[in-house]
Amino acid sequence: QVTLRESGPALVKPTQTLTLTCTFSGFSLTTSGLCVSWIRQPPGKALEWLARLDWDDDKYYSTSLKTRLTISKDTSKNQVVLTMTNMDPVDTATYYCARTRDGYNYFDFWGRGTLVTVSS
Amino acid sequence: EIVMTQSPVTLSVSPGERVTLSCRASQSLSSNLAWYQQKPGQAPRLLIYDASTRATGIPARFSGSGSGTEFTLTISSLQSEDFAVYYCQQYNNWPPLTFGQGTKVEIK
Repeated sequence: QVTLRESGPALVKPTQTLTLTCTFSGFSLTTSGLCVSWIRQPPGKALEWLARLDWDDDKYYSTSLKTRLTISKDTSKNQVVLTMTNMDPVDTATYYCARTRDGYNYFDFWGRGTLVTVSS
Repeated sequence: EIVMTQSPVTLSVSPGERVTLSCRASQSLSSNLAWYQQKPGQAPRLLIYDASTRATGIPARFSGSGSGTEFTLTISSLQSEDFAVYYCQQYNNWPPLTFGQGTKVEIK
């Protein structure tokens, strides 16, 4: 059974760095072809893909946010970590992690999401 | 970046009706398009991938069609549990992976 769960702070201040952790089970990022992405959704708005990390440590980022994002993994803990620097109130959103498979770049399993509010 | 445009923004429908949602891409996607359903307070759920293949456990009343730049999600007979927001997502040309702005299916 594949599950993913996001964790991190519910509130961050402007200019701070956000660190989110996706802890997953039912698959391993040492398995060829498996990948984990981060996606966010501001309240009442659409989904926005942020970053993807592959089993072979290849990394891909949103064009508009790439200077602020870093994605990494800890395969021993089955975790993928996303950091976003210089947080702003417009970054207030629910942040999701989701699984994809290389060559099949749709999201077959999602976490429940974590709401991050950026406010002073 | 490929821009995905969904129409209509909102659709008011009665249970039992047939529903057709549209998704248009700014460039050809071949068949590299997925559809998701999202209910309030929940994560999106994969419905359709490769434009027309239902994901595991998705009822047969959901169907997808199209290729190139024009795609359709059809719900043959809307059930009460189908009232939700539906998103399309392209994966033909990336990064970035991009989503449409969503279509809300609400009770008439």
